[in-house]
Amino acid sequence: EAGVTQFPSHSVIEKGQTVTLRCDPISGHDNLYWYRRVMGKEIKFLLHFVKESKQDESGMPNNRFLAERTGGTYSTLKVQPAELEDSGVYFCASSQGNGYRVNEKLFFGSGTQLSVL
Amino acid sequence: AQKITQTQPGMFVQEKEAVTLDCTYDTSDPSYGLFWYKQPSSGEMIFLIYQGSYDQQNATEGRYSLNFQKARKSANLVISASQLGDSAMYFCAMRVAGAAGNKLTFGGGTRVLVKP
Repeated sequence: EAGVTQFPSHSVIEKGQTVTLRCDPISGHDNLYWYRRVMGKEIKFLLHFVKESKQDESGMPNNRFLAERTGGTYSTLKVQPAELEDSGVYFCASSQGNGYRVNEKLFFGSGTQLSVL
Repeated sequence: AQKITQTQPGMFVQEKEAVTLDCTYDTSDPSYGLFWYKQPSSGEMIFLIYQGSYDQQNATEGRYSLNFQKARKSANLVISASQLGDSAMYFCAMRVAGAAGNKLTFGGGTRVLVKP
């Protein structure tokens, strides 16, 4: 069974440009999450989809970030326009269940390393 | 609010020896879960072990065990018989019950390098 896949693995863009990150969750997982690790800091929650609906986007830093999950399958995270402080590793994760159980295990992808110059 | 603290930014361990990675947490929720993830150089975050706050016994998964001390709010990961492939970044994380239960709170991570 395929795990969570993310594309691209690395992206280098200039400040002001647009970048779109993609995540394919494990098939059948209704819950899809985006997390981010900015250099030197902890991994932080960005948002949570249940199927195609945004369940919680409380961690999104600002309106330059837009996440979508068309048809409840793959998800994209677009940053427009990118700023220097957006550099970091963006992780996607998926899970079965209702998304709120304390023992619900998240399966993570390998992340996208975003560098904004 | 929840907080996870990993006080060891990096450590060396000799192959075949055991190593303990520290994790302390803070939450006022009585129901919570604690997770450890491994991130090798490939980047993928790999789930290692889970401990629930109401679990009576410490969790074990192969060479991984969790030293859960609830009163001290610590959930240290023990890796026995270290292997070269254990060289990676290790993250402790927590999830609480309720409305915030969809979020994992992570510590800053500990980088482990296993020496041959």
